[in-house]
Amino acid sequence: NAGVTQTPKFRILKIGQSMTLQCTQDMNHNYMYWYRQDPGMGLKLIYYSVGAGITDKGEVPNGYNVSRSTTEDFPLRLELAAPSQTSVYFCASSYWPEAFFGQGTRLTVV
Amino acid sequence: ELKVEQNPLFLSMQEGKNYTIYCNYSTTSDRLYWYRQDPGKSLESLFVLLSNGAVKQEGRLMASLDTKARLSTLHITAAVHDLSATYFCAVGHTGTASKLTFGTGTRLQVTL
Repeated sequence: NAGVTQTPKFRILKIGQSMTLQCTQDMNHNYMYWYRQDPGMGLKLIYYSVGAGITDKGEVPNGYNVSRSTTEDFPLRLELAAPSQTSVYFCASSYWPEAFFGQGTRLTVV
Repeated sequence: ELKVEQNPLFLSMQEGKNYTIYCNYSTTSDRLYWYRQDPGKSLESLFVLLSNGAVKQEGRLMASLDTKARLSTLHITAAVHDLSATYFCAVGHTGTASKLTFGTGTRLQVTL
């Protein structure tokens, strides 16, 4: 099993550009999440999904969008990148009580 | 709103010494997690604590949970350099979607 796979691992964006962070899990988990981690901080929840077609906002959703068309995939979209979105992004899935994290995407907006 | 506080934020300790990291949270929860993160890496699950009085041990690390006090501790026994990392506690939201709220982390540095 690959677990939770994120792509890309690193990305540099210019202010105003858009991109999609990809997340795929092969464990057939209904629950999936996007977190961001700023330097020296804990993770903060951006969006989450309880199943295909169902998404909801977390603590810091502004500037992001998500979709969940399949159980496996949960992409995160940045429409107009801003320097404040420079962070490390982690995708996760869960099957109670365990949570499984991807390896992260390090995004820099310049 | 669930809030999670960890202390200390930074801990420098000598090899062979013992120390405890504390994790306080503000509202009722049914589970608490401890994770380890090495620089530039993802989170490694250490412990999942599900009930009041739960105690789990793995090597030099022992975690406990007091749900009445809303407090978890991660105790380090006879620290070794390999334990140097950042440790996070995360508390589960009850009811909905298994969301987690994380503490700000404790950066542990074990010196010779």
